[in-house]
Amino acid sequence: GIQVEQSPPDLILQEGANSTLRCNFSDSVNNLQWFHQNPWGQLINLFYIPSGTKQNGRLSATTVATERYSLLYISSSQTTDSGVYFCAVEPGAGGTSYGKLTFGQGTILTVHP
Amino acid sequence: SAVISQKPSRDICQRGTSLTIQCQVDSQVTMMFWYRQQPGQSLTLIATANQGSEATYESGFVIDKFPISRPNLTFSTLTVSNMSPEDSSIYLCSVEVGDQGYEQYFGPGTRLTVT
Repeated sequence: GIQVEQSPPDLILQEGANSTLRCNFSDSVNNLQWFHQNPWGQLINLFYIPSGTKQNGRLSATTVATERYSLLYISSSQTTDSGVYFCAVEPGAGGTSYGKLTFGQGTILTVHP
Repeated sequence: SAVISQKPSRDICQRGTSLTIQCQVDSQVTMMFWYRQQPGQSLTLIATANQGSEATYESGFVIDKFPISRPNLTFSTLTVSNMSPEDSSIYLCSVEVGDQGYEQYFGPGTRLTVT
């Protein structure tokens, strides 16, 4: 099946710093999403971005589908940004893969005041 | 988008017992998905549930251990049967909504501890 690798696995920042999280995937995808899992376990949708660039406030994301990677940018980080960031993809083969997300291992972000 | 609720939010269960988790979505959806997140790990798909048909299980998951019901287009249940401590996980349901492509939304999860 498709492989999803996220880097770095852990990231520690001071409040106000910027960061870039990376997601590499091994095959074509129909869907790519970024999630933030808060300390209570809730998965919060950040971006649905199978290709192109999107921005939402201090966060932005870019997916280069032809090169099989996606980047999540966090600017001016805040302590509330702490948590785990997951990249998840739906393989592009369709058929029996329809709707099935494969998750990366996540990046644990800690933002200190 | 979609609003999804799950019950219970958490539970502590004894080894050998079973727990049924409910997932309710605020709109009709064709497919619902069940995921497991073991402690400190990523999410893994358990099965896909379509209304009116049997669930489709991923490799490593079987119907006898994780029976699923899908009685209508807004509701599904996952049962964790004959539990062992290794079943201690967060169980999450999700749905795919076609607002902008096929974005998936997740419920708040059920945190299960088996003693």
